[in-house]
Amino acid sequence: DTAVSQTPKYLVTQMGNDKSIKCEQNLGHDTMYWYKQDSKKFLKIMFSYNNKELIINETVPNRFSPKSPDKAHLNLHINSLELGDSAVYFCASSQGRTRNTIYFGEGSWLTVV
Amino acid sequence: KNEVEQSPQNLTAQEGEFITINCSYSVGISALHWLQQHPGGGIVSLFMLSSGKKKHGRLIATINIQEKHSSLHITASHPRDSAVYICAVRKPGADGLTFGKGTHLIIQP
Repeated sequence: DTAVSQTPKYLVTQMGNDKSIKCEQNLGHDTMYWYKQDSKKFLKIMFSYNNKELIINETVPNRFSPKSPDKAHLNLHINSLELGDSAVYFCASSQGRTRNTIYFGEGSWLTVV
Repeated sequence: KNEVEQSPQNLTAQEGEFITINCSYSVGISALHWLQQHPGGGIVSLFMLSSGKKKHGRLIATINIQEKHSSLHITASHPRDSAVYICAVRKPGADGLTFGKGTHLIIQP
């Protein structure tokens, strides 16, 4: 029974398309995140969402938008995909923002061609 | 310079060896995390530390807040420990984690 699940696991799409990655957590956590892992395997925070408060990393282009229909879901929408968006995107969740363990999803491999 | 630095970047060892991976950070933190990423890509949280030492099975993590340094030790290493180990910190008042670049560990039989 996966704690944090993401779909799809693999996504290949053309430049200019709009795509979404879904994330669900069944841990009852109140905070969810999206992280990006680039080609050099370096991880970086994109968004965090807690109690309807969205915090955005200033380096994230506004083509990326997270949407949370409820506390258990935080989906990532990407408009007008660019080659540089190719990366692995990880969803994660935790209880609170400060001192609790973070649980990661399995990752979604996005390739833009 | 990254706020979180790990060493070594790559480490190859023989099965059974004692492994140490180091993490130094240059910012104030509220917690430090050690994560494991297997070749398949999934990330697993190993430890979260704010002081002292934690042990889980063959894994031990320590942190020295004054020196801004943490170590991850693996005793009696096994090929299944082969993975990338990532140190990450949570800065007070910040959202999300700030990551090191990872240590790629290979344990040979």
